[in-house]
Amino acid sequence: GAVVSQHPSRVICKSGTSVKIECRSLDFQATTMFWYRQFPKQSLMLMATSNEGSKATYEQGVEKDKFLINHASLTLSTLTVTSAHPEDSSFYICGGSADYGYTFGSGTRLTVV
Amino acid sequence: DAKTTQPTSMDCAEGRAANLPCNHSTISGNEYVYWYRQIHSQGPQYIIHGLKNNETNEMASLIITEDRKSSTLILPHATLRDTAVYYCIVRVAGRSSASKIIFGSGTRLSIRP
Repeated sequence: GAVVSQHPSRVICKSGTSVKIECRSLDFQATTMFWYRQFPKQSLMLMATSNEGSKATYEQGVEKDKFLINHASLTLSTLTVTSAHPEDSSFYICGGSADYGYTFGSGTRLTVV
Repeated sequence: DAKTTQPTSMDCAEGRAANLPCNHSTISGNEYVYWYRQIHSQGPQYIIHGLKNNETNEMASLIITEDRKSSTLILPHATLRDTAVYYCIVRVAGRSSASKIIFGSGTRLSIRP
């Protein structure tokens, strides 16, 4: 089946630094990828939609200059959290559009100290 | 995409069938019913999907009412590893970039020994 590889699985960074999260579709081409954020005991919240070769579309309330998304190829999308702060600590998940629906990465636990 | 309503939590004895209901009374004719689950600190896992006929795979069965306004996910022999949050989602199938998945609050399923 369609597999999405996401890494790193965990990252700890200092406040003010930037962190990049990669999401790769291993056995299918993901024209569209979605990025979610999940806080403890809450559901997944859609942050943005990235389409290969074009600018990402952000959901209302998500700062596009803070959460930079790049989808330069059909198999790779990246999310960069710029100038991270403790409130950005969360679980980030990507998902790629496969034939039957979506398949998701295993998530990245970001902790900003 | 249509909104879904699920119970907040349920529990089931190990080895018994777990029946998870979902209401989607505003579903459109071209929208499928999808089920995903999220085990703690992991990305969502695809379980099953269907349009109007009942579906079965190695993980579960999906029963959709004739009017398509509700459905039930059945885990035939629940194990402790089935403890997770289960999400029922309705969306148009296919790779359309407009068919983003919006997660509701889901049902937290607890399997008791």
